[in-house]
Amino acid sequence: AQSVTQPDIHITVSEGASLELRCNYSYGATPYLFWYVQSPGQGLQLLLKYFSGDTLVQGIKGFEAEFKRSQSSFNLRKPSVHWSDAAEYFCAVGDTGGFKTIFGAGTRLFVKA
Amino acid sequence: GAVVSQHPSWVICKSGTSVKIECRSLDFQATTMFWYRQFPKQSLMLMATSNEGSKATYEQGVEKDKFLINHASLTLSTLTVTSAHPEDSSFYICSATKSGTDSYEQYFGPGTRLTVT
Repeated sequence: AQSVTQPDIHITVSEGASLELRCNYSYGATPYLFWYVQSPGQGLQLLLKYFSGDTLVQGIKGFEAEFKRSQSSFNLRKPSVHWSDAAEYFCAVGDTGGFKTIFGAGTRLFVKA
Repeated sequence: GAVVSQHPSWVICKSGTSVKIECRSLDFQATTMFWYRQFPKQSLMLMATSNEGSKATYEQGVEKDKFLINHASLTLSTLTVTSAHPEDSSFYICSATKSGTDSYEQYFGPGTRLTVT
């Protein structure tokens, strides 16, 4: 069965510092992978997605993620974090057979001044 | 764009009553809609998948008779929590995929906060 693991429950970074959020997945075939952000009181917003092709994916708000098949990982990165990036981040894997999406537990990002 | 709305955004109801939550795709047709439940500080748990004109497919452990899902049109799906109890209090989120596309991208609504007293 497919699954998603986000090892870090929460991460704190200084504003302007770089960020990497980890995500590992378990899936039998080439997965459809997503990163979403959820700000307090708001719905989920798609940051980026990987379906195929270039393994380095660029998203919105300066985020990028790299698909590494050998490591079953899809880590999210940002070179310089802004205070407005503080939110909950979810990695997700899509079921190619039926559109079902399984979410990781989420990583709460705190940004300190 | 691909906008999904939910109504109401929050609702308080008394134990034993039923409450209906609407999920609408505003600017696209959605063959498939999903309903999720999110507990505080936890991830989204898929409750059911609904396809327009057919019965919803529920995930294991989700009570079909308690959480009634109707996907009557290509732009509307409803979730009715019947005989609600305090343990049903949660954040309910819907999402939709666009019809006529092979994209697996889901567009999420802003969620509905349900509090059962």
